Amino acid sequence: ETGVTQTPRHLVMGMTNKKSLKCEQHLGHNAMYWYKQSAKKPLELMFVYSLEERVENNSVPSRFSPECPNSSHLFLHLHTLQPEDSALYLCASSQRPGGSGANVLTFGAGSRLTVL
Amino acid sequence: GQNIDQPTEMTATEGAIVQINCTYQTSGFNGLFWYQQHAGEAPTFLSYNVLDGLEEKGRFSSFLSRSKGYSYLLLKELQMKDSASYLCVCLDSNYQLIWGAGTKLIIKP
Repeated sequence: ETGVTQTPRHLVMGMTNKKSLKCEQHLGHNAMYWYKQSAKKPLELMFVYSLEERVENNSVPSRFSPECPNSSHLFLHLHTLQPEDSALYLCASSQRPGGSGANVLTFGAGSRLTVL
Repeated sequence: GQNIDQPTEMTATEGAIVQINCTYQTSGFNGLFWYQQHAGEAPTFLSYNVLDGLEEKGRFSSFLSRSKGYSYLLLKELQMKDSASYLCVCLDSNYQLIWGAGTKLIIKP
């Protein structure tokens, strides 16, 4: 496989459930990101990892817990979520952390999360 | 604060030309990206501008005016497959990405 792959593509969970989102990149990139995309709102950066070290955490509630076991894999563990957490969760990767014209983000197709 | 403004939705006709505008107010500026996102798919990179002027890539062109805090994406010879959301994204002085909410483009036959 090539690019950035996210699983599952769709997830429905109750507020008391525990689930995880998975992201895998086959691009040899060193930085990985989690973004939240809600309808008609800008993308919200949640977490940034560089070589498996978390370099940014944008005041995300503790019910979201990221894990980066190696530079190719990224997880987002979910527990006791709220209905307002329903959104599309996008994973992305790039050569290195931070934006630039030479450091374009490559996104996965996202995991559509619905919290009941 | 930092802000990116772009129209929420636009409609255009197959074969025509459409211009999607983006204005920005950011803490410093280190460039502007356009991404395309089809429904249910990943955002994909279209263009990057850091200097004033027009960059052309086939049917798509992107323009930047740094003094006006303004960019546009121009799509020519529209095809049905161009129906998608177009995201305007700025790099601020700290090289952080500031995202617009996106413009949903609907192409009609």
